[in-house]
Parts: sequence; C-alpha cells; structure tokens
Amino acid sequence: NAGVTQTPKFRVLKTGQSMTLLCAQDMNHEYMYWYRQDPGMGLRLIHYSVGEGTTAKGEVPDGYNVSRLKKQNFLLGLESAAPSQTSVYFCASSPPDRRETGELFFGEGSRLTVL
Amino acid sequence: GQNIDQPTEMTATEGAIVQINCTYQTSGFNGLFWYQQHAGEAPTFLSYNVLDGLEEKGRFSSFLSRSKGYSYLLLKELQMKDSASYLCACMDSNYQLIWGAGTKLIIKP
Repeated sequence: NAGVTQTPKFRVLKTGQSMTLLCAQDMNHEYMYWYRQDPGMGLRLIHYSVGEGTTAKGEVPDGYNVSRLKKQNFLLGLESAAPSQTSVYFCASSPPDRRETGELFFGEGSRLTVL
Repeated sequence: GQNIDQPTEMTATEGAIVQINCTYQTSGFNGLFWYQQHAGEAPTFLSYNVLDGLEEKGRFSSFLSRSKGYSYLLLKELQMKDSASYLCACMDSNYQLIWGAGTKLIIKP
C-alpha cells in the first residue's frame, strides 16, 4: 500500500548542479502535482499534469522542468540549482473524481538544500 | 489578487475545543479545504466545503460562509496527537488550490 513515493528524501546540492526528483504513485491517478513548501508560506504549485504525456505550469515554474512519460511517474528537474530553490518539495496525486473535491494524496516530501 | 489568511499559531489545552479561522479572497470559488500536517510529514486531507454551513466529521467540523469569504475548523475533545499545522486552501475558478501558510496548533496537557 505504497501510495505516493518520492525519492530522494534528502539532498544537498551546490549552486549550479542539476538533479531530478522522482515521484511514483501506484493508485492509477490521472492528476499529479509538484509543490514546494517554504516557512511562513503556503504550498505553491510548481508544475502539474492532467495525464500521461501532458504537463502544465503552476504558480512558480521558473527554474524547474517536469516530465510525465508514464502515468505512474512525475519527474521534477532542476537544471541549475540556486539557493532560492532550497525548500521541501511535495508530490501529490488525485483521481479525476477527486479533483473537484480537492482531495490530494501527498508523498512524504523531499528536503532539498542548495549551498 | 488571491489571498488566504489564517493565524500563524494557536495554543489549546488537551480535552478542550479550538476554532481555527480562515479568510479568503480568490478569483472564483470551487470549494474550501482543510488539511492536517504533522511536523516533518505530508499534508493529509481533512474536509471539503462548497456550500454554506457546517460539515461534521467525528471530532472535527468545518464551517463555510461564502458571502463572508470565511471558514473555520473546529476541533473538539483535543488530544495531544492533534498537535499539528492546519492548512486552509481554496479552489479557484481553474480548479487550482490556493494555500494558506498554515496554523500551527500546540496542545498542552
């Protein structure tokens, strides 16, 4: 009963390095999301996907790229990490019938530090 | 602009009742949501209101007034495990969730 799994859980990067965060869900959900959570601020949507092969920008997409090649996976990439991208990243998913009810299923989070 | 306001922190006593308020301004409205987030963990869904009134779910209840742009989460018979952050979120006209910064609830024995 894995639900939504994120890897890695923790990562430290140097400015300018690249990395990819992987999100995998085993619930056959259509919708997937990447959020970042910073102290004193609400969750902010980075990118989202409404189905395999589709992606769209959220509120704060700059500096990030995403891909949804398989329905169960949603990858978040940082091409050239900056200290401003130090944050906790959450992946979430939802089935179409839950989208309007706002019930998202979240992964455990990935804590990224950029030095 | 879109804005969600909720208190930063609240303290309550075990066994008591606490009300966490949330006010919102969004472009369009498709529902008000409450999530619970324990420290270091993922948010988990608590409730959804799209019509005015009170929705009760066990010890937790959520209220919505669309005309006032106002909601509250009511927690009864507080337990130590209720110590967490409570996130208020609104769904806008594009079905995107706009999140408040969260209210950290501290429960004292």
